[in-house]
Amino acid sequence: DVKVTQSSRYLVKRTGEKVFLECVQDMDHENMFWYRQDPGLGLRLIYFSYDVKMKEKGDIPEGYSVSREKKERFSLILESASTNQTSMYLCASSTRTDLTDTQYFGPGTRLTVL
Amino acid sequence: DAKTTQPTSMDCAEGRAANLPCNHSTISGNEYVYWYRQIHSQGPQYIIHGLKNNETNEMASLIITEDRKSSTLILPHATLRDTAVYYCIVRAFDRDDKIIFGKGTRLHILP
Repeated sequence: DVKVTQSSRYLVKRTGEKVFLECVQDMDHENMFWYRQDPGLGLRLIYFSYDVKMKEKGDIPEGYSVSREKKERFSLILESASTNQTSMYLCASSTRTDLTDTQYFGPGTRLTVL
Repeated sequence: DAKTTQPTSMDCAEGRAANLPCNHSTISGNEYVYWYRQIHSQGPQYIIHGLKNNETNEMASLIITEDRKSSTLILPHATLRDTAVYYCIVRAFDRDDKIIFGKGTRLHILP
């Protein structure tokens, strides 16, 4: 089974803090994604990466950055957390060896910024 | 914007088949239909996908119309654990592998 893990299920930070959200997948997947989910807005893509050290902006990259130094790990960074970044953050991975490129999701990190 | 249209919510009695519709009238020839679901407080879970033929796996069946403009996800014997938001997504296999999620259908399984 594909396993995607995220470093924390719940996180509370203060405004202005630098926040790191870690995601690790154990299936040698090339592609990794970060989404956020908010009530009434569904899942929105923040950043994605299709290779080590590669990154692409998604639909809402402002206020975020990412790091992909190793194939299995994709980090989401909030340089200076703000209250409007309180949300559920979901990581996903997929592989190009599967023609249909199904994405597999982690359990999510619920971040609260005070 | 999501390329799919789904009802906001549906109810289904426990033990009965749950049929979740999805319209995707602008689907392209190289786009697959995917279904995911999200149970409260968990990450989205892949259910099934298809291109043009009907598909079945251990979780569900996917019926795609001949013109591919709509599809139906069927949970054959719904249980209370199937209560979730179900997302229908269309996506091509290309370098830009974004999934665009719409609002989905909130399925309530009634005891």
